[in-house]
Amino acid sequence: SQTIHQWPATLVQPVGSPLSLECTVEGTSNPNLYWYRQAAGRGLQLLFYSVGIGQISSEVPQNLSASRPQDRQFILSSKKLLLSDSGFYLCAWSESGSTEAFFGQGTRLTVV
Amino acid sequence: KNQVEQSPQSLIILEGKNCTLQCNYTVSPFSNLRWYKQDTGRGPVSLTIMTFSENTKSNGRYTATLDADTKQSSLHITASQLSDSASYICVVITGTYKYIFGTGTRLKVLA
Repeated sequence: SQTIHQWPATLVQPVGSPLSLECTVEGTSNPNLYWYRQAAGRGLQLLFYSVGIGQISSEVPQNLSASRPQDRQFILSSKKLLLSDSGFYLCAWSESGSTEAFFGQGTRLTVV
Repeated sequence: KNQVEQSPQSLIILEGKNCTLQCNYTVSPFSNLRWYKQDTGRGPVSLTIMTFSENTKSNGRYTATLDADTKQSSLHITASQLSDSASYICVVITGTYKYIFGTGTRLKVLA
């Protein structure tokens, strides 16, 4: 069966520090991968999606970047965090051509 | 503008009672609609999927309805349990990658 792992679960980082969140999927090949952010009281906002290795699409301009170095690995990064980067970050995957997304457990990021 | 609105924002009910959550959307083109349950600090988990031609679908104590003409959906929870306490998110999917998320209804079930 397919599983998605996302870590860390919580993270407190100072302003200006770098960020690296990792997400891996097991049990499937060539999944579509997504990074979402959920701000308090707001709906999930799509940040990045990827349909294959090295293929990254960005939905909104921001201080973050994403990379897909391997088929089932998706990384969210920042060189210098801002206070506004605080939020709940969710990684998700779906089968190519499917509209059902499966979410990871999320990372609560607090930038101080 | 593609938008999904949910009501109420929050709801408190007693264990054993029923409740209905509402979702209105202005999304085009419409592919399907999903209801997700999100426990606090966890990722959302899919409850139901509704396609354009479906009016009602049940998943245990959860029943979702869809009116494609009025662009409304509801999620009815029967005989609520303490474990139903969570946020319920309505998501409208347009195309393969576009998920339009509502802000959710936070449900609290009290003993």
